[in-house]
Amino acid sequence: GESVGLHLPTLSVQEGDNSIINCAYSNSASDYFIWYKQESGKGPQFIIDIRSNMDKRQGQRVTVLLNKTVKHLSLQIAATQPGDSAVYFCAEEGSSNTGKLIFGQGTTLQVKP
Amino acid sequence: DGGITQSPKYLFRKEGQNVTLSCEQNLNHDAMYWYRQDPGQGLRLIYYSQIVNDFQKGDIAEGYSVSREKKESFPLTVTSAQKNPTAFYLCASVGRAYQPQHFGDGTRLSIL
Repeated sequence: GESVGLHLPTLSVQEGDNSIINCAYSNSASDYFIWYKQESGKGPQFIIDIRSNMDKRQGQRVTVLLNKTVKHLSLQIAATQPGDSAVYFCAEEGSSNTGKLIFGQGTTLQVKP
Repeated sequence: DGGITQSPKYLFRKEGQNVTLSCEQNLNHDAMYWYRQDPGQGLRLIYYSQIVNDFQKGDIAEGYSVSREKKESFPLTVTSAQKNPTAFYLCASVGRAYQPQHFGDGTRLSIL
């Protein structure tokens, strides 16, 4: 999910397939992680979160996996639908005292009908 | 409905002009944040406020100013000192630790 420059990584999947979006986070001390979905011209929308004392958390059609050893976060979307097409961002919170989030650069998910 | 309202949706700035972006929340959240988003990039923190009458600089505060006179409101002024203001500006709020920030739908600022 991380990239340098102006071009977001793009994941293209067929409708009905599962999607996996990856993110490398920067701070080994970060203890809270969030996945957001952003549609064009709108603000980010919360999808799912996880604290560092967990490895996996499931929601409706979504699962977040956290690997603290390699500082890696992933978002799995089951049975991907056209409405899932958007840019997905991971965010890490390094200090719960300020609530400041550090955002990855995002991954574009394209769902082909 | 509880949420965050940003206005205007689109804003145009003339050279040398200051412009103010509005952010209002009715979620009773203590903390509020302003982010800048450039095309193809993630969000970068401009300013944040954890309590009324107090705010701190984020990573890219130069050329911007804020105020927090009321819990519900956190306006951002883009000053003439910000030489590259064209971007999508997002406001967010959160109530307590280990909760996700809630975002408004942004203001797109362009230069005339």
